[in-house]
Amino acid sequence: ETGVTQTPRHLVMGMTNKKSLKCEQHLGHNAMYWYKQSAKKPLELMFVYSLEERVENNSVPSRFSPECPNSSHLFLHLHTLQPEDSALYLCASSQVSTLYNEQFFGPGTRLTVL
Amino acid sequence: KQEVTQIPAALSVPEGENLVLNCSFTDSAIYNLQWFRQDPGKGLTSLLLIQSSQREQTSGRLNASLDKSSGRSTLYIAASQPGDSATYLCAVAGNAGNMLTFGGGTRLMVKP
Repeated sequence: ETGVTQTPRHLVMGMTNKKSLKCEQHLGHNAMYWYKQSAKKPLELMFVYSLEERVENNSVPSRFSPECPNSSHLFLHLHTLQPEDSALYLCASSQVSTLYNEQFFGPGTRLTVL
Repeated sequence: KQEVTQIPAALSVPEGENLVLNCSFTDSAIYNLQWFRQDPGKGLTSLLLIQSSQREQTSGRLNASLDKSSGRSTLYIAASQPGDSATYLCAVAGNAGNMLTFGGGTRLMVKP
Protein backbone atom coordinates (compact mmCIF):
# COMPACT_ATOMS: atom_id res chain seq x y z
CA GLU A 1 0.00 0.00 0.00
CA THR A 2 1.36 3.41 -0.97
CA GLY A 3 -0.97 5.54 1.15
CA VAL A 4 -2.98 6.66 -1.87
CA THR A 5 -6.42 5.12 -2.37
CA GLN A 6 -8.74 5.35 -5.35
CA THR A 7 -12.43 4.50 -5.76
CA PRO A 8 -14.01 2.91 -7.60
CA ARG A 9 -11.41 0.44 -8.87
CA HIS A 10 -13.51 -0.37 -11.93
CA LEU A 11 -16.17 1.72 -13.67
CA VAL A 12 -18.28 1.08 -16.74
CA MET A 13 -20.31 3.99 -18.05
CA GLY A 14 -22.29 5.04 -21.08
CA MET A 15 -21.42 8.11 -23.08
CA THR A 16 -24.31 10.11 -21.61
CA ASN A 17 -23.56 9.29 -17.97
CA LYS A 18 -21.97 11.50 -15.35
CA LYS A 19 -19.62 9.89 -12.86
CA SER A 20 -16.80 10.89 -10.54
CA LEU A 21 -13.50 9.26 -9.61
CA LYS A 22 -12.20 9.77 -6.09
CA CYS A 23 -8.66 9.82 -4.76
CA GLU A 24 -7.55 10.16 -1.15
CA GLN A 25 -3.99 10.39 0.17
CA HIS A 26 -3.00 9.60 3.76
CA LEU A 27 0.60 10.81 3.48
CA GLY A 28 0.22 14.45 4.48
CA HIS A 29 1.28 15.60 1.04
CA ASN A 30 0.51 19.01 -0.47
CA ALA A 31 0.22 18.11 -4.15
CA MET A 32 -2.06 15.71 -6.02
CA TYR A 33 -2.14 14.58 -9.64
CA TRP A 34 -4.35 12.83 -12.19
CA TYR A 35 -2.72 10.71 -14.90
CA LYS A 36 -4.23 8.77 -17.80
CA GLN A 37 -2.78 5.48 -19.02
CA SER A 38 -4.15 4.29 -22.35
CA ALA A 39 -3.32 0.98 -23.93
CA LYS A 40 -1.10 2.36 -26.67
CA LYS A 41 0.29 5.57 -25.20
CA PRO A 42 2.66 6.44 -22.37
CA LEU A 43 1.26 7.64 -19.07
CA GLU A 44 0.25 11.28 -19.48
CA LEU A 45 -0.30 13.96 -16.87
CA MET A 46 -3.80 15.45 -16.89
CA PHE A 47 -3.99 17.77 -13.88
CA VAL A 48 -1.88 18.94 -10.96
CA TYR A 49 -3.00 20.62 -7.75
CA SER A 50 0.07 21.94 -5.97
CA LEU A 51 0.00 24.24 -2.96
CA GLU A 52 -3.62 25.07 -3.86
CA GLU A 53 -2.68 26.07 -7.42
CA ARG A 54 -4.16 24.12 -10.32
CA VAL A 55 -2.03 23.36 -13.33
CA GLU A 56 -3.43 21.46 -16.27
CA ASN A 57 -2.35 19.82 -19.44
CA ASN A 58 -3.86 21.95 -22.17
CA SER A 59 -4.75 18.94 -24.28
CA VAL A 60 -7.26 17.53 -21.75
CA PRO A 61 -10.85 17.84 -23.06
CA SER A 62 -13.38 19.80 -21.01
CA ARG A 63 -15.44 16.64 -20.42
CA PHE A 64 -12.88 15.94 -17.66
CA SER A 65 -13.25 18.29 -14.70
CA PRO A 66 -11.01 18.03 -11.61
CA GLU A 67 -11.86 19.15 -8.10
CA CYS A 68 -9.56 19.38 -5.10
CA PRO A 69 -11.54 20.42 -1.99
CA ASN A 70 -8.54 19.99 0.33
CA SER A 71 -5.00 18.68 0.26
CA SER A 72 -6.08 15.08 0.98
CA HIS A 73 -8.85 14.61 -1.57
CA LEU A 74 -8.99 14.83 -5.34
CA PHE A 75 -11.89 14.14 -7.67
CA LEU A 76 -12.20 13.74 -11.43
CA HIS A 77 -15.71 14.48 -12.68
CA LEU A 78 -16.61 12.80 -15.95
CA HIS A 79 -19.42 13.70 -18.36
CA THR A 80 -20.33 12.83 -21.93
CA LEU A 81 -17.20 10.72 -22.38
CA GLN A 82 -16.15 8.98 -25.57
CA PRO A 83 -15.09 5.35 -26.03
CA GLU A 84 -11.49 6.52 -26.57
CA ASP A 85 -11.52 7.82 -22.97
CA SER A 86 -11.45 4.22 -21.77
CA ALA A 87 -8.20 3.88 -19.83
CA LEU A 88 -6.61 3.39 -16.43
CA TYR A 89 -6.81 6.65 -14.46
CA LEU A 90 -4.10 7.00 -11.85
CA CYS A 91 -3.90 9.42 -8.96
CA ALA A 92 -0.64 10.41 -7.28
CA SER A 93 0.52 12.66 -4.48
CA SER A 94 3.79 14.25 -3.39
CA GLN A 95 5.27 16.72 -0.94
CA VAL A 96 6.59 19.56 -3.07
CA SER A 97 8.52 21.25 -0.29
CA THR A 98 10.92 18.31 0.12
CA LEU A 99 14.15 17.95 -1.75
CA TYR A 100 12.97 14.90 -3.64
CA ASN A 101 9.27 15.55 -4.37
CA GLU A 102 8.77 11.84 -4.98
CA GLN A 103 5.36 10.92 -6.35
CA PHE A 104 3.36 8.05 -4.87
CA PHE A 105 0.63 6.43 -6.95
CA GLY A 106 -2.71 4.85 -6.15
CA PRO A 107 -3.91 1.56 -7.68
CA GLY A 108 -5.93 3.29 -10.39
CA THR A 109 -9.51 3.21 -11.67
CA ARG A 110 -10.10 1.12 -14.79
CA LEU A 111 -12.67 3.06 -16.81
CA THR A 112 -14.62 1.58 -19.71
CA VAL A 113 -16.85 3.85 -21.79
CA LEU A 114 -19.46 2.05 -23.86
CA LYS B 1 8.71 19.54 -24.98
CA GLN B 2 10.32 16.73 -23.02
CA GLU B 3 10.25 13.30 -24.65
CA VAL B 4 11.22 10.09 -22.88
CA THR B 5 12.10 6.87 -24.69
CA GLN B 6 12.65 3.44 -23.20
CA ILE B 7 14.51 0.65 -24.94
CA PRO B 8 13.81 -2.21 -25.28
CA ALA B 9 10.01 -2.20 -25.25
CA ALA B 10 10.00 -5.84 -24.13
CA LEU B 11 12.62 -8.17 -22.72
CA SER B 12 12.57 -11.85 -21.83
CA VAL B 13 15.46 -13.36 -19.86
CA PRO B 14 16.15 -16.55 -17.89
CA GLU B 15 16.21 -16.36 -14.13
CA GLY B 16 19.52 -15.27 -12.63
CA GLU B 17 20.63 -12.96 -15.42
CA ASN B 18 21.82 -9.45 -14.78
CA LEU B 19 20.04 -6.98 -17.02
CA VAL B 20 19.97 -3.32 -18.00
CA LEU B 21 16.97 -1.23 -18.93
CA ASN B 22 17.55 2.01 -20.79
CA CYS B 23 15.84 5.38 -20.64
CA SER B 24 16.67 8.48 -22.68
CA PHE B 25 15.25 11.98 -22.51
CA THR B 26 15.53 14.97 -24.82
CA ASP B 27 15.72 17.92 -22.39
CA SER B 28 18.55 17.69 -19.85
CA ALA B 29 17.03 20.41 -17.63
CA ILE B 30 15.40 17.97 -15.25
CA TYR B 31 14.65 18.13 -11.53
CA ASN B 32 14.78 14.39 -10.91
CA LEU B 33 14.24 11.02 -12.55
CA GLN B 34 12.13 8.20 -11.13
CA TRP B 35 11.98 4.52 -11.99
CA PHE B 36 8.68 2.76 -11.34
CA ARG B 37 7.41 -0.78 -11.50
CA GLN B 38 3.89 -1.61 -12.68
CA ASP B 39 2.28 -5.01 -12.39
CA PRO B 40 -0.55 -5.83 -14.83
CA GLY B 41 -3.68 -3.80 -14.11
CA LYS B 42 -2.12 -2.20 -11.06
CA GLY B 43 -0.77 1.18 -10.04
CA LEU B 44 2.86 2.26 -9.99
CA THR B 45 5.38 1.40 -7.30
CA SER B 46 8.29 3.78 -6.97
CA LEU B 47 11.63 1.96 -7.12
CA LEU B 48 14.29 4.64 -7.18
CA LEU B 49 14.50 8.42 -7.45
CA ILE B 50 17.65 10.19 -8.60
CA GLN B 51 18.03 13.90 -8.06
CA SER B 52 19.49 15.88 -10.96
CA SER B 53 22.68 16.44 -8.95
CA GLN B 54 23.18 12.71 -8.28
CA ARG B 55 24.81 10.08 -10.47
CA GLU B 56 23.22 6.93 -9.10
CA GLN B 57 20.97 5.36 -6.50
CA THR B 58 20.89 1.80 -5.18
CA SER B 59 18.19 -0.25 -3.51
CA GLY B 60 18.83 -3.94 -2.96
CA ARG B 61 19.39 -5.60 -6.33
CA LEU B 62 18.50 -2.42 -8.20
CA ASN B 63 20.91 0.28 -9.28
CA ALA B 64 19.90 3.33 -11.30
CA SER B 65 22.35 5.71 -12.92
CA LEU B 66 21.85 9.14 -14.39
CA ASP B 67 23.91 10.97 -17.00
CA LYS B 68 22.06 14.24 -17.32
CA SER B 69 24.34 15.75 -19.94
CA SER B 70 23.73 12.90 -22.37
CA GLY B 71 20.07 12.53 -21.42
CA ARG B 72 20.35 8.92 -20.29
CA SER B 73 19.48 6.73 -17.34
CA THR B 74 19.88 3.01 -16.84
CA LEU B 75 18.23 0.63 -14.40
CA TYR B 76 20.42 -2.34 -13.55
CA ILE B 77 18.75 -5.41 -12.06
CA ALA B 78 21.10 -7.98 -10.58
CA ALA B 79 20.35 -11.70 -10.38
CA SER B 80 16.87 -11.40 -11.87
CA GLN B 81 13.99 -13.42 -10.40
CA PRO B 82 10.56 -14.40 -11.77
CA GLY B 83 9.03 -11.97 -9.28
CA ASP B 84 10.79 -9.14 -11.13
CA SER B 85 8.45 -9.70 -14.09
CA ALA B 86 6.56 -6.44 -14.60
CA THR B 87 6.62 -3.27 -16.68
CA TYR B 88 9.33 -0.81 -15.71
CA LEU B 89 8.64 2.87 -16.30
CA CYS B 90 11.05 5.76 -16.38
CA ALA B 91 9.79 9.28 -15.69
CA VAL B 92 11.60 12.61 -15.67
CA ALA B 93 10.46 15.63 -13.70
CA GLY B 94 10.78 19.26 -14.65
CA ASN B 95 9.35 22.36 -12.98
CA ALA B 96 10.42 21.54 -9.42
CA GLY B 97 9.26 17.97 -9.78
CA ASN B 98 5.57 18.58 -10.42
CA MET B 99 5.47 17.55 -14.05
CA LEU B 100 6.40 13.93 -14.72
CA THR B 101 6.93 12.86 -18.34
CA PHE B 102 6.85 9.09 -18.75
CA GLY B 103 8.48 6.75 -21.21
CA GLY B 104 6.54 3.94 -22.83
CA GLY B 105 7.97 1.34 -20.46
CA THR B 106 9.90 -1.90 -20.77
CA ARG B 107 7.89 -5.07 -20.26
CA LEU B 108 10.16 -7.58 -18.51
CA MET B 109 9.57 -11.31 -18.31
CA VAL B 110 11.94 -13.40 -16.18
CA LYS B 111 11.54 -17.10 -16.89
CA PRO B 112 12.16 -19.72 -14.17
